[in-house]
Order: sequence, then C-alpha cells, then structure tokens
Amino acid sequence: GAGVSQTPSNKVTEKGKYVELRCDPISGHTALYWYRQSLGQGPEFLIYFQGTGAADDSGLPNDRFFAVRPEGSVSTLKIQRTERGDSAVYLCASSLTSGANVLTFGAGSRLTVL
Amino acid sequence: AQKITQTQPGMFVQEKEAVTLDCTYDTSDQSYGLFWYKQPSSGEMIFLIYQGSYDEQNATEGRYSLNFQKARKSANLVISASQLGDSAMYFCAMREVYNQGGKLIFGQGTELSVKP
Repeated sequence: GAGVSQTPSNKVTEKGKYVELRCDPISGHTALYWYRQSLGQGPEFLIYFQGTGAADDSGLPNDRFFAVRPEGSVSTLKIQRTERGDSAVYLCASSLTSGANVLTFGAGSRLTVL
Repeated sequence: AQKITQTQPGMFVQEKEAVTLDCTYDTSDQSYGLFWYKQPSSGEMIFLIYQGSYDEQNATEGRYSLNFQKARKSANLVISASQLGDSAMYFCAMREVYNQGGKLIFGQGTELSVKP
C-alpha cells in the first residue's frame, strides 16, 4: 500500500478482555516497529521485527503483550487480559531496512480499556 | 535517566517568523542519530530531519534545519518562515544502536502553535 495502515483506528474494550491490533506496512519494507503513546507523552518502543522474526522485544511491558509477523508483512499486536493502564495509542511504523533512517508511521490504533 | 529532554511543552510563533524548538540528549555512545518528527492532530508521526553524530554539517531539509551542538548534546530544530500548517506536536528522538535504526527514544514533545 501507499502508507502504513493500522486497524482498528479506535477500539474500546472492557478490562480483562483480549485485543488484537493490526498493522499493514508499506509493501517491501522488511522492518516493522510497534510503539505505544500514552496521553501527553512521546511514543515508547515496544518491539521490532526484521522479516518474520522479532529482533528486539525489550519494550514489551509484560507477558500480556505479544506480537507476530508470520509472513514478514502484516503484523498483529496482541494484548491479553487488558488493564486500564493499557489505554493508549498504539503506533506502527515500517522502514525499508532496520538500518534505514526514515520510519513511516501509521495513524495509530487508539485503545481505551474501561 | 531521561535520554531526550524537550523543555518547552508549548510554543507560539507568528506566521512567517522563525522558531527554534529545543532538544537535549544524553548518551555515552559515540555513534548515534538524532531525529525530529512532527505529529499533527491526525496522529501520524511525520519524519522531518535526521542528523548523524559524525555529520560535521548541520542537517537541512527545506524550511527545517537542525542546530547540532555535539559538545552541549543539543539538537534544536529550527523552522524558518512558519506556516499555519506547522501547528502540531514536535518530537525529538535518538537512535543509539546503529543496526536498530527504528528503535527510537522520544522526548515528551513540544506543541507548536502558529498564529496568523
């Protein structure tokens, strides 16, 4: 696609529920990143993929968070047993390679946990 | 310890004037990269400019320039001839590890408002 596409754009869920957020990167981009942006803050790194494998998942806050990229293109961020503190905008970005300077971001998925 | 510090939560500038957004950083690495991103109300982060730690000249991209002062560990963004469309949040970011190009550490941002 022309840009990075994220769905859903908005998700409201109840505490304890399971949530999946999808990211469709720019075609041909091998590196894919997930960031989380809380209200009034800058984005915080969660995980990045080079191809199908997670090259660095050091930013995932706990084991309720998991992400996959099975075919090296679309990625899904999965959050189990959601908590109110998980409410944030989840941003996905992609780049041609992991060493590239320019990241192209999607518009984000806003998650609200009630 | 905060790695990226943006001390200006909000800034105002008159249309057509220049404005400087401050950013200081903290790293012990010799090789690093510094970035500025713009985030309009639509939410997308838009790449503006990049400066490598070994680049001797300040980076420029159109109306954007990065005032890089390595000894002071500062990487201020200068926007010349401000336009109404420049109103947005601006984030300074740093990359510490060369091969993890996208693993960025962001500051808290500065909200810029351009007045007509």
